Amino acid sequence: GENVEQHPSTLSVQEGDSAVIKCTYSDSASNYFPWYKQELGKGPQLIIDIRSNVGEKKDQRIAVTLNKTAKHFSLHITETQPEDSAVYFCAANTGNQFYFGTGTSLTVIP
Amino acid sequence: DAMVIQNPRYQVTQFGKPVTLSCSQTLNHNVMYWYQQKSSQAPKLLFHYYDKDFNNEADTPDNFQSRRPNTSFCFLDIRSPGLGDAAMYLCATSTLVRDTQYFGPGTRLTVL
Repeated sequence: GENVEQHPSTLSVQEGDSAVIKCTYSDSASNYFPWYKQELGKGPQLIIDIRSNVGEKKDQRIAVTLNKTAKHFSLHITETQPEDSAVYFCAANTGNQFYFGTGTSLTVIP
Repeated sequence: DAMVIQNPRYQVTQFGKPVTLSCSQTLNHNVMYWYQQKSSQAPKLLFHYYDKDFNNEADTPDNFQSRRPNTSFCFLDIRSPGLGDAAMYLCATSTLVRDTQYFGPGTRLTVL
């Protein structure tokens, strides 16, 4: 089955700085990679996703890059704000389900 | 707004007392999922329905059952909750099995 590794597990940045979270996956057949943001006590919310026919996708302050050869993808958040503080999960599809990374707890320090 | 709704948001039950969690969706998606999420962990898939076809994960305990009476509703039944079943239970939907999943707000289950 798929193995999705996510790093780092915790990340603290100053407000206004950038944050980068990285994930690797093992199944070369995976072709869809979403990122979810989960605030305390809430369900995960999709923030951005990328498909394997694209190398990079951007949505305002959030971007995702994908390297299919190396089997890794990254989330980039620029100009971080305190409301970006949350747990972020990457995921990769394989077979009939998604495999989630172990999560990154991001803290943005005002 | 189209959405995934879970009720109740918080559920307290006693050890061994059956409990049912519900999920409804207005997205008209074919697939509905149930995940278990324990503190500081990733969501763990329990099972999913593609329309009326039920797909159980190999390591989902028999204690967990599910029903999907129609497209909009899906239920999670825990027949005899143990202390280890205390967790957040997340419902999600998608158009296709390998496509984008949209999550509900979750139900926090406490077992006394």
